[in-house]
Formats: sequence, C-alpha cells, structure tokens
Amino acid sequence: AQSVSQHNHHVILSEAASLELGCNYSYGGTVNLFWYVQYPGQHLQLLLKYFSGDPLVKGIKGFEAEFIKSKFSFNLRKPSVQWSDTAEYFCAVNMNTGFQKLVFGTGTRLLVSP
Amino acid sequence: DTEVTQTPKHLVMGMTNKKSLKCEQHMGHRAMYWYKQKAKKPPELMFVYSYEKLSINESVPSRFSPECPNSSLLNLHLHALQPEDSALYLCASSQLGPTNYGYTFGSGTRLTVV
Repeated sequence: AQSVSQHNHHVILSEAASLELGCNYSYGGTVNLFWYVQYPGQHLQLLLKYFSGDPLVKGIKGFEAEFIKSKFSFNLRKPSVQWSDTAEYFCAVNMNTGFQKLVFGTGTRLLVSP
Repeated sequence: DTEVTQTPKHLVMGMTNKKSLKCEQHMGHRAMYWYKQKAKKPPELMFVYSYEKLSINESVPSRFSPECPNSSLLNLHLHALQPEDSALYLCASSQLGPTNYGYTFGSGTRLTVV
C-alpha cells in the first residue's frame, strides 16, 4: 500500500541548531510532495512543495527540502531554527494514481528551546 | 480570495443531533476534500469531490454524509455521531489537472460529540 513515513516523532533542539526532518514514501510512480506545518492550535500551513524540476525546493520561513527520487525521500531542512518554529510538521504526498489523494505522514513534533 | 472558509469553528453536539459543517472556497478549485484529524495525529482523508461529484469515499461510516451543491461549497452532514468522532474536521481544495498545484486547507471545525 502507498504510505508516507516520518522517522522522527519528536525532535528537541536549541535555538540556532540545524534541523533535518526525514520523510520517505512508498510509491514507484510520479509524486507531488509537500511539507505542512501546524502551529499549536492553528491550521495547516504549506511550507513548500515539489512538483517537478529542481529537486531542491525553497519554502517559506527559511525552510528547504530536497527530493531524492532514488531514495524515495523528501527531507525538510532549516540551517538555524528559532523558538517560533515549535510546531508539528507533516510530510504529505500526492501519488498520481489518477485520484486526488493526499496522504500524510505521521508527523514530527518539534520543540525549540530558547 | 485565496482561502478556504469553514464554519462553524467549534461545534458541540449530542449523539442524537443532526448538524452540518460547511466549507467554501472561491479560488475556482474543482476538487474539494474532507479530512479528519484526531489529536496528535495526521489528517486522514474522508471524502474527495471532483467536479462536484464524489470520487473517493475512504470507507467512512454512513453517519457522515458529504454534499457538494456547487463548485464553491462543500458540506458534511452529521447524524447519530459517537464520542469517538470528536476531532478536528478539515476542508481542503485544489485545482485538478495533470499537475497538482497544491492543496489549500481551511482552519477546521473542532467537533465534540457528547
């Protein structure tokens, strides 16, 4: 079955530390890839997305992600986190099976200590 | 207008009540979605509408009844719910086509069944 996995369920960092959150999916066809962030008590916000072209994608708030097709991965990175980055991060994949179905990973809860 | 608007934001209902959740978008998106998100879990797809027709039902119990009266509106009718149905219900929309342009999520309706 098609699935999305996020390896880190909880991550704790100090401010200014670098961040990398893993995301892998299981599907051999064409995919569209997304990272969403959900701040406490708020709705999902799109951080960045990949459809085609340059596999290194830059998003909002200094985040970027790299699509590595051979590894079925789409890892999220940020060189220096801030306290305000404390949130839940979801990787999501639209596996182009002909249906508009966005599948979410289990999420990573990031806590940044000041 | 680049938003998906959901009403109400909060809803408390008894197990014998009938209520409806509403979702509206004016971005010209022809796909609309209902997701359910339990606390500390990722969103789970419930229904997908494409061109106002139901295209995906993820084996959702019949006490949840979706409706898409036109290309801008999506409703979720609720009847005889159970306490375990308490969750955040998210509406989303997207364009349709060979390349998915991303999904826009609403802020959600936080539903409590008592």
